[in-house]
Amino acid sequence: QAALTQPASVSGSPGQSITISCTGSSSDVGGYDYVSWYQQYPGKAPKLFIFDVSNRASGISNRFSGSKSGNTASLTISGLQAEDEADYYCASRSTTNTRVFGGGTKVTVL
Amino acid sequence: QVQIVQSGSEVKKPGASVKVSCKASAGTFKTYSLHWVRQAPGQRLEWMGWITAASGNAQYSQTFQDRLTITKDSSASTAYMELSSLRSEDTAVYYCATEFFGSHLFESWGQGTLVTVSS
Repeated sequence: QAALTQPASVSGSPGQSITISCTGSSSDVGGYDYVSWYQQYPGKAPKLFIFDVSNRASGISNRFSGSKSGNTASLTISGLQAEDEADYYCASRSTTNTRVFGGGTKVTVL
Repeated sequence: QVQIVQSGSEVKKPGASVKVSCKASAGTFKTYSLHWVRQAPGQRLEWMGWITAASGNAQYSQTFQDRLTITKDSSASTAYMELSSLRSEDTAVYYCATEFFGSHLFESWGQGTLVTVSS
């Protein structure tokens, strides 16, 4: 199954806002409100940040927010901080109850 | 959060099989399903398959359909991922991750198990 489409990289200066898109199809992102987002530092396991499109996981800063329109979900990071520099992955439920990840986006804080 | 500990690194020859374990807190598998996700060096996360809490049935990505087996021993709170006919492209870190029944998210992750396939 094809991966969801994410930009390879997004960058911003401290304090700025950035948005990462995650585009799928009506068989996954567009068909279910089960999009989640994960942060991953190099050499570490991923960590849940956002679930069900827009709900923050426990302990996650309100600087992180999620949304969805049609077949595209988005993760917005506001007030960008140095510690936000990491890889971010979206994931979605797909038809037949399988799961699919995005290609990943490297966030760089300039 | 569920605590998960995976088995250690493995080195395998092409054509061999590997079996990775994922031990969770006692009673986890009564309410949590268990997914397997892999990540090749420098590459994206790739969903492989899962075993459900309710029925104990396993479901696989079409990519791995014919050489992946996921099982669990609920009494030991341990799940297993066995991948056969290994090739060099299977060199990756393999993660297990829990999903609370019906939540459709990967809540807790294991530390990862590096599997290296090399002749």
